[in-house]
Amino acid sequence: GESVGLHLPTLSVQEGDNSIINCAYSNSASDYFIWYKQESGKGPQFIIDIRSNMDKRQGQRVTVLLNKTVKHLSLQIAATQPGDSAVYFCAETFDNDMRFGAGTRLTVKP
Amino acid sequence: GAVVSQHPSWVICKSGTSVKIECRSLDFQATTMFWYRQFPKQSLMLMATSNEGSKATYEQGVEKDKFLINHASLTLSTLTVTSAHPEDSSFYICSAKVETQYFGPGTRLLVL
Repeated sequence: GESVGLHLPTLSVQEGDNSIINCAYSNSASDYFIWYKQESGKGPQFIIDIRSNMDKRQGQRVTVLLNKTVKHLSLQIAATQPGDSAVYFCAETFDNDMRFGAGTRLTVKP
Repeated sequence: GAVVSQHPSWVICKSGTSVKIECRSLDFQATTMFWYRQFPKQSLMLMATSNEGSKATYEQGVEKDKFLINHASLTLSTLTVTSAHPEDSSFYICSAKVETQYFGPGTRLLVL
């Protein structure tokens, strides 16, 4: 079936740098996308979402970009901090059905 | 807002016993809750969708007689792992939906 995937399984950045986590999706009918952060031993935490009628949405230190032409989703984290170290999952939703990508582990080096 | 709790946070049991995990939406009502399973270093796998007052919808490959789901109220869904075996050891996470899905903290199950 159709699935959501990630380009990079791991990402290591220096503290203070910006991070970009990418996600490719294959279901062109997906209309709602979410980024979650999961720390070790915890449940996923909602970060930011975006609907398919938008191409950019900003939150506090985070920005999600949606490119429907190439079916690509990205999460940008500004001034990455050690507390940002976690696994980040993208998820796509279509018709109340949500599917997760494989996840990217972000490591922030001090 | 949108807080979801799970109980217990971890459980160790002997093979053959049944384990019940509770999922509660604390500050909102959720007609739909979801149960996921996650193995180490892997993504979340949807097990079933739980709808209040009706039978759960299970994903392909998930045994409904083994993973019993009850969604008796708008704030509580339970997952019972019946006759648990070591291969059922995993991290079980629930979520409740209000526009988007909000996740519980997870329950780690270890079956000896």
